[in-house]
Amino acid sequence: ETGVTQTPRHLVMGMTNKKSLKCEQHLGHNAMYWYKQSAKKPLELMFVYSLEERVENNSVPSRFSPECPNSSHLFLHLHTLQPEDSALYLCASSQDTGTDTGELFFGEGSRLTVL
Amino acid sequence: GENVEQHPSTLSVQEGDSAVIKCTYSDSASNYFPWYKQELGKRPQLIIDIRSNVGEKKDQRIAVTLNKTAKHFSLHITETQPEDSAVYFCVLGGGGSNYKLTFGKGTLLTVNP
Repeated sequence: ETGVTQTPRHLVMGMTNKKSLKCEQHLGHNAMYWYKQSAKKPLELMFVYSLEERVENNSVPSRFSPECPNSSHLFLHLHTLQPEDSALYLCASSQDTGTDTGELFFGEGSRLTVL
Repeated sequence: GENVEQHPSTLSVQEGDSAVIKCTYSDSASNYFPWYKQELGKRPQLIIDIRSNVGEKKDQRIAVTLNKTAKHFSLHITETQPEDSAVYFCVLGGGGSNYKLTFGKGTLLTVNP
């Protein structure tokens, strides 16, 4: 596999469930990101990791918990979510966190529905 | 965070026509202006970017223009084709970090054959 892969592609969960989203990048990048994409809203940055260290947390509720065990893998652990958390969750990677290194490479996303 | 306004939110054109999407911003320190394309059900992908020391950049049928004085930048697609149908996002960068990027709300472009 090449690029950025996300699993699962679709997830339906109840508000009391615990689930995890997984992201893997095969590009040798040092930075990984979680974004939330909701209808008619701009992409919202949630978390940024650089060399497995969290460098940004954009005031995300604690019911979202990221984990970056190594520079190729990123998880988003979900617990006690609300219906308004239903969205497409996009993982991305880049060579580093500086814009001088250019583009973000996105995965195809995990479509989350909270009932 | 910084704000970027993107217009129009939807755009429908006939195949072969041109399409223009415009974004305005307020932070004069912004210095990086990429555009991403997201086809239905697909991932966003970078299609072109421009930095503040350049006024225009072209890549085949797509071009981006930047007016730093007026604080706006635009995406131009010429000779549109059905495969250009997608959501296009302008992005505002500044501060030299990818986590300082601000995405516009997106423009849904439909190219009718």
